[in-house]
Amino acid sequence: DAGVTQSPTHLIKTRGQQVTLRCSPKSGHDTVSWYQQALGQGPQFIFQYYEEEERQRGNFPDRFSGHQFPNYSSELNVNALLLGDSALYLCASSPGQQETQYFGPGTRLLVL
Amino acid sequence: GEDVEQSLFLSVREGDSSVINCTYTDSSSTYLYWYKQEPGAGLQLLTYIFSNMDMKQDQRLTVLLNKKDKHLSLRIADTQTGDSAIYFCAESRSSNTGKLIFGQGTTLQVKP
Repeated sequence: DAGVTQSPTHLIKTRGQQVTLRCSPKSGHDTVSWYQQALGQGPQFIFQYYEEEERQRGNFPDRFSGHQFPNYSSELNVNALLLGDSALYLCASSPGQQETQYFGPGTRLLVL
Repeated sequence: GEDVEQSLFLSVREGDSSVINCTYTDSSSTYLYWYKQEPGAGLQLLTYIFSNMDMKQDQRLTVLLNKKDKHLSLRIADTQTGDSAIYFCAESRSSNTGKLIFGQGTTLQVKP
């Protein structure tokens, strides 16, 4: 049983560019949440998707957007990248909005 | 992570017990979680406790919850070098159950 998978593992972009990160949830899970983890910090909640809609959102600007597909996989898009967007982006899936979340290995984004 | 506080560093000898502490502020917390993060990796769910419980034991792990003081602890018995990692506590609130709020993480160093 595959766990949560994310792609790519690493990514380097320059300021002003746009990036798309991908996540496939654990089998049987229909809810995907995204977190940003800056170096030396705990993860910060970006948003959660359920039934292909954004259900909850943290304190992140509109430059951060997402999508969930009918097969429950999800994308995180970040526009107009800033140096401060450099972080580990974690995807978590759960079998429902209020259930325990299981994390993927993350995508490490470096913005130069 | 301003609402969830953890001490930043703990060093123990192999075979000793480790106790990692966490305090939170919101009395509406429903579930409290412990996650483990090894270098360069995502978060691994270790255990969780529902807010109406005082204690939960799972093999070498014991979670204690003092709801009055909003204090959570994770005890690892017979700590091994493989337990060296960053440990995060996280809370889920009844008002916002899909969002996990994380502490800054406690780095556990296990010396041989």
